[in-house]
Amino acid sequence: LAKTTQPISMDSYEGQEVNITCSHNNIATNDYITWYQQFPSQGPRFIIQGYKTKVTNEVASLFIPADRKSSTLSLPRVSLSDTAVYYCLVGDYKLIFGTGTLLAVQP
Amino acid sequence: EAGVAQSPRYKIIEKRQSVAFWCNPISGHATLYWYQQILGQGPKLLIQFQNNGVVDDSQLPKDRFSAERLKGVDSTLKIQPAKLEDSAVYLCASSLVGPGVAKNIQYFGAGTRLSVL
Repeated sequence: LAKTTQPISMDSYEGQEVNITCSHNNIATNDYITWYQQFPSQGPRFIIQGYKTKVTNEVASLFIPADRKSSTLSLPRVSLSDTAVYYCLVGDYKLIFGTGTLLAVQP
Repeated sequence: EAGVAQSPRYKIIEKRQSVAFWCNPISGHATLYWYQQILGQGPKLLIQFQNNGVVDDSQLPKDRFSAERLKGVDSTLKIQPAKLEDSAVYLCASSLVGPGVAKNIQYFGAGTRLSVL
């Protein structure tokens, strides 16, 4: 299973775009890249998943370069309610969570 | 669509006591997972079921933890006897697909917060 590395924490302000980068140098051919969001006292919540290039949904975009050794989660115009821990995971049916990135959004 | 249901939400016990957690996955989801999340860490997979069979329990402390999934639907996770270091949030998740399918997306319940005194 590919190990992921992401920043421990990030700070931002309301209305800004936030990009969280995750490195996964040992990603396997069959692996997908999945991001989860977790608020205090809640379970992780699926945000977005991709295999290559760019994926966009109603809450985020995921950019994956051709070599797939990294990925970037982009959150457009964050608000205070986006303050949470964001996990980057690489794999198939088995997910190994790291410590994630704590995003703190300030007014 | 109803989400993953877990109960109880909170539990406080003394060390050496036993405790059980219950999980009801999303209807139709064949795969069920139990995770342990210690404060400040990411969730750690304890056990994974595919229908009512165990797929992976490599990180389950089998001397004190046990889990079952009756009829391939609900599941219970038990700790007996509990230790102080078992204090954590126990999360249940389910997914529609199973091992070998790359686009697996897991849906999590709110978890049970266990405090062992």
